[in-house]
Amino acid sequence: DSGVTQTPKHLITATGQRVTLRCSPRSGDLSVYWYQQSLDQGLQFLIQYYNGEERAKGNILERFSAQQFPDLHSELNLSSLELGDSALYFCASSVVAPGANVLTFGAGSRLTVL
Amino acid sequence: AQTVTQSQPEMSVQEAETVTLSCTYDTSENNYYLFWYKQPPSRQMILVIRQEAYKQQNATENRFSVNFQKAAKSFSLKISDSQLGDTAMYFCAFMKLGGSQGNLIFGKGTKLSVKP
Repeated sequence: DSGVTQTPKHLITATGQRVTLRCSPRSGDLSVYWYQQSLDQGLQFLIQYYNGEERAKGNILERFSAQQFPDLHSELNLSSLELGDSALYFCASSVVAPGANVLTFGAGSRLTVL
Repeated sequence: AQTVTQSQPEMSVQEAETVTLSCTYDTSENNYYLFWYKQPPSRQMILVIRQEAYKQQNATENRFSVNFQKAAKSFSLKISDSQLGDTAMYFCAFMKLGGSQGNLIFGKGTKLSVKP
């Protein structure tokens, strides 16, 4: 157990629907990252939050949004789902300190869009 | 923009033998970290080893070691005394320091099979 908790582990939904993926970071970690792993694109960085504020944005679609709450858990919202959104979505957390950024990953949420 | 290239999509090795996985990267940054992550069939991403670019000494973690060649922008992973549990996808990753600090850029991965 890495200490980063992601729910749900598996999710099957239909095109056009909206889903929410949840992540609880490791205790003490202030920064949360979301990554998407697909066969086509590999592992891609989506977005990073630090202590409730957006810190960096990667290849995140406009249909996707995220936030980090005061208790530091984060949610990734995926809307108007398309078949190509089927992927493994990882959350990772870290203690953001100078020269000390090791990301610890959760077990991932497998999204299947039918 | 930074890129990470893993030129070996698949490799295999006999149990107890040594295998080296290749990784090259492209960056104009001077301060950065390099990582190897392992993803077994369970899908969990597990940190194997980390190298700070400013350190000349190659990092080692038990049976895992790296050959970091900064000028050549090369970062290979050597696994000694391979074990069946080493069977996994291995991803090389780059992280620059400063700015959007903390974001990992991954290579496409190398699928390693350890055979009994």
